[in-house]
Amino acid sequence: SYELTQPPSVSVSPGQTARITCSGYPLPKKYAYWYQQKSGQAPVLVIYDDNKRPSGIPERFSGSSSGTMATLTISGAQVEDESDYYCYSTDSSGNHWVFGGGTKLTVL
Amino acid sequence: EVQLLESGGGLVQPGGSLRLSCAASGFTFRSYAMSWVRQAPGKGLEWVSVISSSSDTTYYADSVKGRFTISRDNSKNTLYLQMNSLRAEDTAVYYCATVAVADDYFDSWGQGALVTVSS
Repeated sequence: SYELTQPPSVSVSPGQTARITCSGYPLPKKYAYWYQQKSGQAPVLVIYDDNKRPSGIPERFSGSSSGTMATLTISGAQVEDESDYYCYSTDSSGNHWVFGGGTKLTVL
Repeated sequence: EVQLLESGGGLVQPGGSLRLSCAASGFTFRSYAMSWVRQAPGKGLEWVSVISSSSDTTYYADSVKGRFTISRDNSKNTLYLQMNSLRAEDTAVYYCATVAVADDYFDSWGQGALVTVSS
């Protein structure tokens, strides 16, 4: 089955750059998406189509993809960015939609 | 403003059944594919199922295939998830979500409904 792999945790100090990776074989052919989820809340889309930012998402959030790895970058991370982050994509057939295991970002 | 309101969650015994509903408003429901995503307590997000705008195409995660059925009633702006043969591992918050037009990602989300499978 198709899997997306993320590091369980990433920790940075405020103002530093946080990078969260997501690896999986269909990523060269399929877009990656990133969701932010704060405790007790529904997920919020922060990056779509590898590197596009929805309206209302701060410019410090950016995405990139190369080969089988996608990366979410938060430039100048702020305390309010502390959340769980999930990458998401579909398999090459489009029949299975998969989330990565999630990465807990700590900013302190 | 898009609003998605899940209902029908609760406590059910292993082997039992439950039907979740998701009432949609604030957008043209019949134009959007819809999906269910779940999250077990303290765990990550898991895609469950998706249905096309006209109900002609449905897909399921392997973990629920043959036990869960997704459906929709465009006249009532409502999405459903019929869950049969429930197991303890189906315990989760179930979110309904819109699927972005001409793409395969989740655009708007409801606040979720908790399903607990326990004796």
